[in-house]
Amino acid sequence: SQTIHQWPATLVQPVGSPLSLECTVEGTSNPNLYWYRQAAGRGLQLLFYSVGIGQISSEVPQNLSASRPQDRQFILSSKKLLLSDSGFYLCAWSLGLYNEQFFGPGTRLTVL
Amino acid sequence: ILNVEQSPQSLHVQEGDSTNFTCSFPSSNFYALHWYRWETAKSPEALFVMTLNGDEKKKGRISATLNTKEGYSYLYIKGSQPEDSATYLCAFDASGTYKYIFGTGTRLKVLA
Repeated sequence: SQTIHQWPATLVQPVGSPLSLECTVEGTSNPNLYWYRQAAGRGLQLLFYSVGIGQISSEVPQNLSASRPQDRQFILSSKKLLLSDSGFYLCAWSLGLYNEQFFGPGTRLTVL
Repeated sequence: ILNVEQSPQSLHVQEGDSTNFTCSFPSSNFYALHWYRWETAKSPEALFVMTLNGDEKKKGRISATLNTKEGYSYLYIKGSQPEDSATYLCAFDASGTYKYIFGTGTRLKVLA
């Protein structure tokens, strides 16, 4: 069966510090991968998605970036965090005809 | 810009009551409509994938209907229980894309 891992679970970082969140999927090959953010009081916003190694599509302009160095690894990064980057970050994968997405446990990021 | 709207934003019901909420989405370029259940401190869990106009899906006390011509889907919960308390998200999947557009969700609280 497939599983998806995210770490860390929680993170508190100062403004201006770098960020690296990691997501890995097990039990499947060549999945589509997604990074979402839920800011306080808002819905799920798609940040990036990837349909293959090295292929990244960005949905919103921001100071975040994503990379997919391996088939089942998706990394969300920032060189300098802003206060507005605080939120709950979810990674998801999908595969198959109707793109049903399966979510990881999430990372709660607080930028102070 | 594609817009997915859910209503109501939140509601409280008594245990045993039946309830329903709405997801409105663009009626063009429809591919699939997904419903998710998102409990606090957990990751979203897939409930239904709906693909055909007139689809009705059921899982236990929860069911959903789909009208792609007018662009809406209803989620019904029969005999609500406290464990049904969660945010219910719908996500619109447009043809030719790999990504969803999520609604902001309906937050349901079932009072014992």
